[in-house]
Amino acid sequence: ETGVTQTPRHLVMGMTNKKSLKCEQHLGHNAMYWYKQSAKKPLELMFVYSLEERVENNSVPSRFSPECPNSSHLFLHLHTLQPEDSALYLCASSQGTSGRVTDTQYFGPGTRLTVL
Amino acid sequence: AQSVSQHNHHVILSEAASLELGCNYSYGGTVNLFWYVQYPGQHLQLLLKYFSGDPLVKGIKGFEAEFIKSKFSFNLRKPSVQWSDTAEYFCAGANNAGNMLTFGGGTRLMVKP
Repeated sequence: ETGVTQTPRHLVMGMTNKKSLKCEQHLGHNAMYWYKQSAKKPLELMFVYSLEERVENNSVPSRFSPECPNSSHLFLHLHTLQPEDSALYLCASSQGTSGRVTDTQYFGPGTRLTVL
Repeated sequence: AQSVSQHNHHVILSEAASLELGCNYSYGGTVNLFWYVQYPGQHLQLLLKYFSGDPLVKGIKGFEAEFIKSKFSFNLRKPSVQWSDTAEYFCAGANNAGNMLTFGGGTRLMVKP
């Protein structure tokens, strides 16, 4: 048990739907991350937040909208997704305040998203 | 552009065999390298990392990795694998600014009892 939880664990949505993924960390960390893991593609870093401020956005389409209301919670709001957005979305957190990806990250179990 | 590649997608070994998983990176400047592991049904977790200093890095569960700058490699090794090492292993690299992290495609290891 890593102390990072994600809900829901599985999500099926249509292309016109709006949904949100939630991540919560119970480790007292200051930085949080969203990753995308597609079939047959390497894990991709999407967003980095440190102390609730976005530090990095790695050229992610605007149909993905992150939100970090506090250092324990991170959301990924989804709207008008495409079938190719189907993937496992992983959340992670780290202790440092800089949001450097070199800090040791603790991962959640992921949300398996299917876009129909 | 930075990249990380893992040579083997699937590896099958018998218990007590030695393990070496390949990882090559393509980066400019200082590089920080990691190995992550995901056991079946568990979360991705850090095995070991290299930032600087001794190029031979020891991690958890008897794993080690060697940074060879001239070969742009950071191979993961374990002298004697156990059935419990069955997992997927990911190599990753980050730039020195710490704002870009690139993962390799992963290697699935199966250890037969």
